[in-house]
Amino acid sequence: AQKVTQAQTEISVVEKEDVTLDCVYETRDTTYYLFWYKQPPSGELVFLIRRNSFDEQNEISGRYSWNFQKSTSSFNFTITASQVVDSAVYFCALSGRPGAQKLVFGQGTRLTINP
Amino acid sequence: DVKVTQSSRYLVKRTGEKVFLECVQDMDHENMFWYRQDPGLGLRLIYFSYDVKMKEKGDIPEGYSVSREKKERFSLILESASTNQTSMYLCASSPRTSAGNEQFFGPGTRLTVL
Repeated sequence: AQKVTQAQTEISVVEKEDVTLDCVYETRDTTYYLFWYKQPPSGELVFLIRRNSFDEQNEISGRYSWNFQKSTSSFNFTITASQVVDSAVYFCALSGRPGAQKLVFGQGTRLTINP
Repeated sequence: DVKVTQSSRYLVKRTGEKVFLECVQDMDHENMFWYRQDPGLGLRLIYFSYDVKMKEKGDIPEGYSVSREKKERFSLILESASTNQTSMYLCASSPRTSAGNEQFFGPGTRLTVL
């Protein structure tokens, strides 16, 4: 069975602080994909990144970076110099084996950036 | 610009009513999904469809049914709404390829059953 755990239910920081959102996953598939989505107050989930299980390179996109570690089954997301617009609920998700189309989502982390 | 639309942003229904939630995508995607989102539980898959007239149960199908008569439209049906079906409902779509694909989400329907 596949499972995604986001242990941090809520995080609150002051603007310009760095913040890391944790994601731990479980799967028996050797090929799988990991995702991060952002859900702003408007409600619509916005895709941020996809990683496949064979690519353990960390990725940086502007203030966002992702750290994928197969050894610890983690796919953590860091926001550097946070801004108020980063306030949202963030979801980590997993899909297994090539062709599998279903996503398993974590519980989500509500991030609040205070001015 | 790719788009998934849902028929209502907010809906209030009474216990026992039959409820239809409609979802339309304009990306010619084969896959469509219905989730419900509840605090502390994340998104849970209710039903999904790989093609027209095809449907498969997700993790929590009880109390729901679906219909996919056209490729672009996927409907979620609550045959007899109950208060425990008060929730946010999210529709999504994705193309059918061999790789793991991101899903594109609609804005959600917040359903309240009184």
